[in-house]
Amino acid sequence: AQSVTQLDSQVPVFEEAPVELRCNYSSSVSVYLFWYVQYPNQGLQLLLKYLSGSTLVKGINGFEAEFNKSQTSFHLRKPSVHISDTAEYFCAVSTTSGTYKYIFGTGTRLKVLA
Amino acid sequence: EAEVAQSPRYKITEKSQAVAFWCDPISGHATLYWYRQILGQGPELLVQFQDESVVDDSQLPKDRFSAERLKGVDSTLKIQPAELGDSAMYLCASSLWNAGAEAFFGQGTRLTVV
Repeated sequence: AQSVTQLDSQVPVFEEAPVELRCNYSSSVSVYLFWYVQYPNQGLQLLLKYLSGSTLVKGINGFEAEFNKSQTSFHLRKPSVHISDTAEYFCAVSTTSGTYKYIFGTGTRLKVLA
Repeated sequence: EAEVAQSPRYKITEKSQAVAFWCDPISGHATLYWYRQILGQGPELLVQFQDESVVDDSQLPKDRFSAERLKGVDSTLKIQPAELGDSAMYLCASSLWNAGAEAFFGQGTRLTVV
């Protein structure tokens, strides 16, 4: 079975400051890793994903994430946030075989302050 | 740009009534997911289809929930009878049947049971 833990339920940060949203996962099989963003009353949108290769993955809107296999982590970072980055961020895993089932974490609410 | 279509966007129903949600995935996507997202939590998988077949419905409360995807294209999720605890956002997503494929989400249906 797979599980995803997002340690911070809320992260307040001032505009133009850097931010890191933490994600740890647990799985007995190989997984792929994803970060999604959700704006109020909207569906989820993919920010980035790690399938293989370089452990540093770049995504949309200036976000990047680093896969760390030994620590089973996939933390999301942005060097300088904007007001428009205020949203809910979800880390997810998907199995590499079988049903390709997606499992999501509980989310981190990023609030960017002026 | 292709999108996952869901309707209705909002639904208010009385407890013990029946309610249904509709989803039209992106053309060519064999995999269709229904997720339930309770306010402040991450999406929880209810049911996953590959074409017209159910591949995972382990978290679907089968005494009151049903889902179908008769022709392997659009899908309907039904709740009968609705309970107060069913109030949530119901999200539909679709993807190609490939490992690591991105899941594309619709805007969701916000259900309120009164």
